[in-house]
Amino acid sequence: EIVLTQSPGTLSLSPGERAIFSCRASQSISSSYLAWYQQKPGQAPRLLIYGASSRASGIPDRFSGSGSGTDFTLTISRLEPEDFAVYYCQQYGSSPQTFGQGTKLEIK
Amino acid sequence: QVQLVQSGAEVKKPGSSVKVSCKASGGTFSTYAFSWVRQAPGQGLEWMGGIIPIFGTPNYAQKFQGRVTITADKSTSTTYMELSSLRSEDTAIYYCAKAAATTGKPSSFDYWGQGTLVTVSS
Repeated sequence: EIVLTQSPGTLSLSPGERAIFSCRASQSISSSYLAWYQQKPGQAPRLLIYGASSRASGIPDRFSGSGSGTDFTLTISRLEPEDFAVYYCQQYGSSPQTFGQGTKLEIK
Repeated sequence: QVQLVQSGAEVKKPGSSVKVSCKASGGTFSTYAFSWVRQAPGQGLEWMGGIIPIFGTPNYAQKFQGRVTITADKSTSTTYMELSSLRSEDTAIYYCAKAAATTGKPSSFDYWGQGTLVTVSS
C-alpha cells in the first residue's frame, strides 16, 4: 500500500501568515489522485482539495494544492482564525486508499 | 444537499460484533461509492472498505478482511458496516463517507456522516 508521510507534525503560526503543508508518498500517485481534508475537534473531516489542485465546492480561494508524483503541497495563503485544525492528505488512486498521519495547525 | 446520518454510539464487549448504519438523503444513492473510515482516539484516519450500491460488491482493506462486512440497502438508501471479533483496539469513531465521483471512478470523499463512537470494553 502507498504510505503518505506528512510534515511537519505541528505547525505553529499566527493569523494572517502563510501555511504550507507537505505530503510525500512512498510511490507515485496515479493521475494525481490526492486529496486534502480539514478536521476540527469533534467534527468529521471536510474535503478541501481533490485531484491535487482542484478546490472542493465552497472552499475559499486562500486554500490551494499543488504537486504530482510523490510530492504534494497544501498552501493556505493567509490564515484565518477558523483555519486552525488538523489537515490530512489522502491518496485514492490505489487500493487501499490511505491517509497521511495529519498535520496540526495551531495558533502561535 | 446530501446528508449522511449515522446510528448512535455503541458500547460492546470484546469478542462481540457491532453494526453501524448510515442513511443518505438529498442525492442519488445507488451510483456513488460509500466508504467506511475509522479514527481511533487521538489518531488519524483509516479506510476500512466501501461499496457501490448499484453493484453491491464490497471492497475491503486487507487489514479488515474476514472481520468487516459492508452492505447497502438501495430501498432505504442506507449503508451498513458490521465489524466482528471486536477488541479494545477497535475503539474508534466510525465514519461513513460518500465518494465525490460516480460509479467506481477513483474519488475523494465529499460528504461525511457525523461519526459513530464504538467503545469496546469489558
